[in-house]
Amino acid sequence: AQSVSQHNHHVILSEAASLELGCNYSYGGTVNLFWYVQYPGQHLQLLLKYFSGDPLVKGIKGFEAEFIKSKFSFNLRKPSVQWSDTAEYFCAVIPATGANNLFFGTGTRLTVIP
Amino acid sequence: DTAVSQTPKYLVTQMGNDKSIKCEQNLGHDTMYWYKQDSKKFLKIMFSYNNKELIINETVPNRFSPKSPDKAHLNLHINSLELGDSAVYFCASSQARVFGYTFGSGTRLTVV
Repeated sequence: AQSVSQHNHHVILSEAASLELGCNYSYGGTVNLFWYVQYPGQHLQLLLKYFSGDPLVKGIKGFEAEFIKSKFSFNLRKPSVQWSDTAEYFCAVIPATGANNLFFGTGTRLTVIP
Repeated sequence: DTAVSQTPKYLVTQMGNDKSIKCEQNLGHDTMYWYKQDSKKFLKIMFSYNNKELIINETVPNRFSPKSPDKAHLNLHINSLELGDSAVYFCASSQARVFGYTFGSGTRLTVV
């Protein structure tokens, strides 16, 4: 069965620090990959997605992610975080074939200290 | 215009009651979903509904039942509520897997 792992449960950074959140998935076939953000008390919003082409994808608010197929990874990065980036970040996977179900990782809580 | 809307936003009810959460999407998407987010923020799919085909996560108790009067609506009905049902429930919709899902704002259910 497919699974998504986010090994960082809680990350605390100071403003202007660089961010990298890890995401690994286990699935034998082709997948589409997503990062969602959930600000406190709000719903999930799509940050970025990858389904084919350039493995380095850019999303909203200065975030980017790199798909490394050989490592089954899709890490999220941002060169300089802001206090407003404090949120929960979820990596998610949809297999390219079969049921169109989005499987989430356990999430990483990011706290940015001003 | 809200793309995926859920009502109510908050729901507090007693154990044993029956309640419903409504979801509507105006995106013209073919598939709708219900997710449960527990206190540890873990998101677990409960149901997906596409063109009258219902796919149920086998771990969901049969007290939970989705009802879809039409393509734009997928309501969640819960019978005999239990304390463990307390969570945030998110509705979502999608058109194709490459686009991901659009989520509603969530319904925080508290069972007392």
